[in-house]
Amino acid sequence: TQLLEQSPQFLSIQEGENLTVYCNSSSVFSSLQWYRQEPGEGPVLLVTVVTGGEVKKLKRLTFQFGDARKDSSLHITAAQPGDTGLYLCAGDVTGQGGKLIFGQGTELSVKP
Amino acid sequence: DTAVSQTPKYLVTQMGNDKSIKCEQNLGHDTMYWYKQDSKKFLKIMFSYNNKELIINETVPNRFSPKSPDKAHLNLHINSLELGDSAVYFCASSQDLRNYGYTFGSGTRLTVV
Repeated sequence: TQLLEQSPQFLSIQEGENLTVYCNSSSVFSSLQWYRQEPGEGPVLLVTVVTGGEVKKLKRLTFQFGDARKDSSLHITAAQPGDTGLYLCAGDVTGQGGKLIFGQGTELSVKP
Repeated sequence: DTAVSQTPKYLVTQMGNDKSIKCEQNLGHDTMYWYKQDSKKFLKIMFSYNNKELIINETVPNRFSPKSPDKAHLNLHINSLELGDSAVYFCASSQDLRNYGYTFGSGTRLTVV
Protein backbone atom coordinates (compact mmCIF):
# COMPACT_ATOMS: atom_id res chain seq x y z
CA THR A 1 0.00 0.00 0.00
CA GLN A 2 1.41 3.34 -1.04
CA LEU A 3 1.34 6.05 1.61
CA LEU A 4 2.24 9.71 1.62
CA GLU A 5 3.02 11.04 5.09
CA GLN A 6 2.35 14.76 5.33
CA SER A 7 3.46 16.93 8.25
CA PRO A 8 2.63 18.89 10.21
CA GLN A 9 -1.08 18.17 10.33
CA PHE A 10 -1.89 21.57 11.88
CA LEU A 11 0.04 24.81 11.79
CA SER A 12 -0.96 28.10 13.38
CA ILE A 13 1.40 31.02 12.80
CA GLN A 14 1.51 34.81 12.81
CA GLU A 15 1.48 36.89 9.67
CA GLY A 16 5.01 37.36 8.35
CA GLU A 17 6.41 34.05 9.57
CA ASN A 18 7.87 31.39 7.29
CA LEU A 19 6.77 27.76 7.25
CA THR A 20 7.53 24.45 5.59
CA VAL A 21 5.22 21.49 4.96
CA TYR A 22 6.68 18.08 4.20
CA CYS A 23 5.48 15.03 2.31
CA ASN A 24 7.37 11.77 2.53
CA SER A 25 6.93 8.31 1.10
CA SER A 26 8.80 5.10 0.51
CA SER A 27 7.26 4.97 -2.98
CA VAL A 28 8.56 6.64 -6.12
CA PHE A 29 6.12 8.95 -7.89
CA SER A 30 6.09 10.08 -11.50
CA SER A 31 4.94 13.48 -10.29
CA LEU A 32 4.06 15.20 -7.04
CA GLN A 33 1.22 17.69 -6.95
CA TRP A 34 0.26 20.29 -4.36
CA TYR A 35 -3.30 21.49 -3.87
CA ARG A 36 -4.98 24.06 -1.67
CA GLN A 37 -8.52 23.56 -0.47
CA GLU A 38 -10.81 26.14 1.11
CA PRO A 39 -13.92 25.26 3.13
CA GLY A 40 -16.84 24.11 0.98
CA GLU A 41 -14.72 23.96 -2.18
CA GLY A 42 -12.72 21.40 -4.09
CA PRO A 43 -8.91 21.32 -4.00
CA VAL A 44 -7.21 23.69 -6.43
CA LEU A 45 -3.95 22.69 -8.10
CA LEU A 46 -0.99 24.87 -7.11
CA VAL A 47 1.87 23.09 -8.83
CA THR A 48 3.06 19.83 -10.35
CA VAL A 49 6.70 18.77 -10.04
CA VAL A 50 7.93 15.93 -12.22
CA THR A 51 11.75 15.87 -12.19
CA GLY A 52 13.82 14.70 -9.22
CA GLY A 53 15.43 17.73 -7.57
CA GLU A 54 13.08 20.15 -9.29
CA VAL A 55 12.30 23.45 -7.57
CA LYS A 56 9.33 25.59 -8.59
CA LYS A 57 8.36 29.01 -7.26
CA LEU A 58 4.92 30.53 -7.21
CA LYS A 59 5.25 34.05 -5.72
CA ARG A 60 5.98 33.39 -2.00
CA LEU A 61 5.56 29.60 -2.34
CA THR A 62 8.52 27.35 -3.14
CA PHE A 63 7.99 23.69 -4.02
CA GLN A 64 10.73 21.09 -4.12
CA PHE A 65 10.70 17.49 -5.38
CA GLY A 66 13.24 15.15 -3.79
CA ASP A 67 16.06 13.74 -5.91
CA ALA A 68 14.65 10.23 -5.59
CA ARG A 69 11.09 11.42 -6.36
CA LYS A 70 9.82 10.07 -3.02
CA ASP A 71 9.36 13.29 -1.10
CA SER A 72 8.45 16.93 -1.51
CA SER A 73 8.24 20.14 0.47
CA LEU A 74 6.28 23.37 0.31
CA HIS A 75 7.86 26.48 1.81
CA ILE A 76 5.88 29.68 2.31
CA THR A 77 7.78 32.90 2.93
CA ALA A 78 6.20 35.73 4.90
CA ALA A 79 2.83 34.03 5.31
CA GLN A 80 -0.30 36.13 4.99
CA PRO A 81 -3.85 35.56 6.30
CA GLY A 82 -4.91 34.82 2.73
CA ASP A 83 -2.66 31.73 2.79
CA THR A 84 -4.97 30.12 5.35
CA GLY A 85 -6.39 26.82 4.12
CA LEU A 86 -5.85 23.08 3.78
CA TYR A 87 -2.72 22.14 1.83
CA LEU A 88 -2.62 18.70 0.26
CA CYS A 89 0.24 16.88 -1.40
CA ALA A 90 -0.55 14.10 -3.83
CA GLY A 91 1.64 11.58 -5.63
CA ASP A 92 0.93 10.24 -9.08
CA VAL A 93 1.75 6.54 -9.27
CA THR A 94 3.05 5.56 -12.69
CA GLY A 95 0.80 3.26 -14.66
CA GLN A 96 -2.13 3.41 -12.26
CA GLY A 97 -4.67 5.16 -14.40
CA GLY A 98 -4.01 8.69 -13.23
CA LYS A 99 -4.59 7.72 -9.60
CA LEU A 100 -3.33 10.15 -6.95
CA ILE A 101 -2.25 9.12 -3.47
CA PHE A 102 -3.03 12.01 -1.14
CA GLY A 103 -1.32 13.02 2.07
CA GLN A 104 -3.40 13.67 5.18
CA GLY A 105 -3.29 17.42 4.64
CA THR A 106 -1.93 20.40 6.58
CA GLU A 107 -4.43 22.85 8.06
CA LEU A 108 -2.68 26.22 7.98
CA SER A 109 -3.98 29.19 9.93
CA VAL A 110 -2.22 32.53 9.54
CA LYS A 111 -3.25 35.11 12.12
CA PRO A 112 -2.99 38.85 11.40
CA ASP B 1 -18.29 28.69 -17.44
CA THR B 2 -17.52 26.33 -14.54
CA ALA B 3 -14.84 23.80 -15.52
CA VAL B 4 -16.00 20.80 -13.46
CA SER B 5 -19.52 21.03 -12.13
CA GLN B 6 -21.21 18.50 -9.91
CA THR B 7 -24.73 18.42 -8.56
CA PRO B 8 -26.19 18.49 -6.05
CA LYS B 9 -23.97 20.43 -3.63
CA TYR B 10 -25.74 18.96 -0.61
CA LEU B 11 -27.64 15.69 -0.28
CA VAL B 12 -29.40 14.59 2.91
CA THR B 13 -31.13 11.24 2.73
CA GLN B 14 -32.26 8.31 4.82
CA MET B 15 -30.51 4.98 5.16
CA GLY B 16 -31.55 2.51 2.52
CA ASN B 17 -32.33 5.11 -0.14
CA ASP B 18 -30.77 5.27 -3.58
CA LYS B 19 -29.21 8.53 -4.81
CA SER B 20 -27.19 9.88 -7.73
CA ILE B 21 -24.56 12.57 -8.09
CA LYS B 22 -23.87 14.07 -11.50
CA CYS B 23 -20.61 15.48 -12.85
CA GLU B 24 -19.77 17.31 -16.06
CA GLN B 25 -16.54 18.86 -17.31
CA ASN B 26 -16.18 21.33 -20.19
CA LEU B 27 -12.39 21.19 -20.36
CA GLY B 28 -12.15 18.57 -23.10
CA HIS B 29 -10.30 16.26 -20.70
CA ASP B 30 -10.12 12.53 -21.39
CA THR B 31 -9.99 11.26 -17.80
CA MET B 32 -12.49 11.70 -14.97
CA TYR B 33 -12.46 10.53 -11.36
CA TRP B 34 -14.55 10.14 -8.24
CA TYR B 35 -12.86 10.72 -4.88
CA LYS B 36 -14.28 10.43 -1.36
CA GLN B 37 -13.15 12.86 1.36
CA ASP B 38 -13.77 11.65 4.89
CA SER B 39 -14.37 13.65 8.05
CA LYS B 40 -10.59 13.99 8.57
CA LYS B 41 -10.26 15.56 5.10
CA PHE B 42 -8.47 12.51 3.69
CA LEU B 43 -9.07 12.03 -0.04
CA LYS B 44 -9.24 8.53 -1.50
CA ILE B 45 -9.87 7.50 -5.08
CA MET B 46 -12.99 5.50 -5.87
CA PHE B 47 -13.10 5.29 -9.68
CA SER B 48 -11.39 6.61 -12.76
CA TYR B 49 -12.63 6.61 -16.34
CA ASN B 50 -10.72 7.36 -19.52
CA ASN B 51 -12.77 8.15 -22.62
CA LYS B 52 -15.81 6.45 -21.06
CA GLU B 53 -13.85 3.31 -20.17
CA LEU B 54 -13.50 2.21 -16.53
CA ILE B 55 -9.83 2.21 -15.56
CA ILE B 56 -9.82 2.06 -11.76
CA ASN B 57 -12.34 0.53 -9.36
CA GLU B 58 -10.66 0.91 -5.99
CA THR B 59 -12.37 -1.86 -3.99
CA VAL B 60 -15.49 0.20 -3.60
CA PRO B 61 -18.67 -1.67 -2.50
CA ASN B 62 -20.77 -2.61 -5.49
CA ARG B 63 -23.56 -0.42 -4.11
CA PHE B 64 -21.59 2.35 -5.85
CA SER B 65 -21.99 2.30 -9.61
CA PRO B 66 -20.35 4.92 -11.81
CA LYS B 67 -21.60 5.62 -15.32
CA SER B 68 -19.90 7.62 -18.07
CA PRO B 69 -22.26 8.26 -20.99
CA ASP B 70 -19.56 10.29 -22.75
CA LYS B 71 -16.12 11.57 -21.84
CA ALA B 72 -17.51 14.84 -20.48
CA HIS B 73 -19.82 13.20 -17.95
CA LEU B 74 -19.27 10.85 -15.03
CA ASN B 75 -22.16 10.13 -12.71
CA LEU B 76 -22.21 8.18 -9.47
CA HIS B 77 -25.20 6.16 -8.34
CA ILE B 78 -25.35 4.79 -4.82
CA ASN B 79 -27.81 2.07 -3.79
CA SER B 80 -28.98 1.21 -0.29
CA LEU B 81 -27.20 4.10 1.39
CA GLU B 82 -25.53 3.43 4.75
CA LEU B 83 -24.51 5.79 7.55
CA GLY B 84 -20.84 5.19 6.68
CA ASP B 85 -21.38 6.61 3.20
CA SER B 86 -21.66 10.09 4.70
CA ALA B 87 -18.75 12.10 3.29
CA VAL B 88 -17.90 14.70 0.67
CA TYR B 89 -17.65 13.25 -2.82
CA PHE B 90 -15.50 15.02 -5.39
CA CYS B 91 -15.50 14.66 -9.12
CA ALA B 92 -12.27 15.59 -10.90
CA SER B 93 -10.77 15.49 -14.36
CA SER B 94 -7.32 15.46 -15.91
CA GLN B 95 -6.22 15.96 -19.49
CA ASP B 96 -5.37 12.28 -19.84
CA LEU B 97 -3.91 9.34 -17.91
CA ARG B 98 -0.50 11.02 -17.69
CA ASN B 99 -2.11 13.28 -15.06
CA TYR B 100 -0.22 16.52 -14.71
CA GLY B 101 -2.91 17.77 -12.38
CA TYR B 102 -6.57 17.48 -11.60
CA THR B 103 -9.36 20.00 -11.83
CA PHE B 104 -11.83 19.27 -9.05
CA GLY B 105 -15.51 20.04 -8.77
CA SER B 106 -16.76 21.81 -5.67
CA GLY B 107 -17.96 18.60 -4.03
CA THR B 108 -21.21 17.00 -2.91
CA ARG B 109 -21.71 16.70 0.84
CA LEU B 110 -23.72 13.53 1.39
CA THR B 111 -25.33 13.03 4.79
CA VAL B 112 -27.09 9.75 5.50
CA VAL B 113 -29.43 9.81 8.49
